[in-house]
Amino acid sequence: AQTVTQSQPEMSVQEAETVTLSCTYDTSESDYYLFWYKQPPSRQMILVIRQEAYKQQNATENRFSVNFQKAAKSFSLKISDSQLGDAAMYFCAYKGGKLIFGQGTELSVKP
Amino acid sequence: EAGVAQSPRYKIIEKRQSVAFWCNPISGHATLYWYQQILGQGPKLLIQFQNNGVVDDSQLPKDRFSAERLKGVDSTLKIQPAKLEDSAVYLCASSFGQGGVLAKNIQYFGAGTRLSVL
Repeated sequence: AQTVTQSQPEMSVQEAETVTLSCTYDTSESDYYLFWYKQPPSRQMILVIRQEAYKQQNATENRFSVNFQKAAKSFSLKISDSQLGDAAMYFCAYKGGKLIFGQGTELSVKP
Repeated sequence: EAGVAQSPRYKIIEKRQSVAFWCNPISGHATLYWYQQILGQGPKLLIQFQNNGVVDDSQLPKDRFSAERLKGVDSTLKIQPAKLEDSAVYLCASSFGQGGVLAKNIQYFGAGTRLSVL
């Protein structure tokens, strides 16, 4: 069965600085998708960035980028120029058949 | 474009009572999902519908949970009778489809219903 592991329960970053959130996954499938979702205290999950496993190029969305290492089964999220509004719970998710979430990393941003 | 709508936002009940949650997916989305998110954990899939048919309900506690999507649009999730361990946020999500290109697989989430069982 597929699993997703986020080893950092909490992270903190200074406003305007860069932070990297870690994610590893376990799968025997070769074709899948990876996602990072953001969940603010309001609870609504918001898609931050997505990656197709067959693409070697790392996905980028404005200040958000990923480091996708398929052989290592690693999918980290880098947030550049952190803003106060980035404070939230971040979930890494894997989709082969069903969408499987990690435990989440709570990010706080210090002014 | 309207997002996934869920109601109610909050519900407090006593154990052994019943409760129902409602979800209206994004227009045109054929696939609908119900997730349970226990405090401090990631969401866990309970059931997945493709139009009005069940695709996956392997993690749905069928002795107390039921869900339906009769006309392939709105869906209702019911718990009867509720237990203390059912306290969680229940999230509904929808996607255009599943399989194929990435765009079809992106799930959009509602704001969820927070259930407290006392």
